[in-house]
Amino acid sequence: GDSVTQMEGPVTLSEEAFLTINCTYTATGYPSLFWYVQYPGEGLQLLLKATKADDKGSNKGFEATYRKETTSFHLEKGSVQVSDSAVYFCALSDHQGAQKLVFGQGTRLTINP
Amino acid sequence: GAVVSQHPSWVICKSGTSVKIECRSLDFQATTMFWYRQFPKQSLMLMATSNEGSKATYEQGVEKDKFLINHASLTLSTLTVTSAHPEDSSFYICSALLDKGEAFFGQGTRLTVV
Repeated sequence: GDSVTQMEGPVTLSEEAFLTINCTYTATGYPSLFWYVQYPGEGLQLLLKATKADDKGSNKGFEATYRKETTSFHLEKGSVQVSDSAVYFCALSDHQGAQKLVFGQGTRLTINP
Repeated sequence: GAVVSQHPSWVICKSGTSVKIECRSLDFQATTMFWYRQFPKQSLMLMATSNEGSKATYEQGVEKDKFLINHASLTLSTLTVTSAHPEDSSFYICSALLDKGEAFFGQGTRLTVV
């Protein structure tokens, strides 16, 4: 079945550092890909998404590009802030839109001032 | 954005009792809601898809008699963990599907069975 694999955390960086969180997927069809973020004490929030190959999702300085050839959707940010500290989940949906989601295991990110 | 509220945020119950968790879409109607379970340091696992006015669709390996789902209105779905045991202790998360296809998540409910 479909699956998502994320780099294991936790990840700890200093403020203004460059961030990459790797995500690869396995799917039989052409899934939509998502990054969700969970801040402490809150529910998951959609950070960005891409629905087809070569699409780039972006939001709040974060970017991820849907790479069909490498089945990847790595999350990047050029300069992280303390407020970016959260757990990040990569996910896919085998339907258009966010219906049944398959999640990666999550990566906890801590940014130190 | 749309808001989904779960209640309670945390609950402790005795083994053998039942616990009900509510998931409400506060500012939109949701014909479809999802229930997930998350173990420590693991991913969210989809338990079931809840459709308003019809029976829930359970994922393979999820006991429907153990985890009762009711979606009686367009803004409320409930998950009842029946005859709870310590192995049911977990973090339960719901999401509600907006018409345009985006899912919004509740903040989760931490269940501890003692």
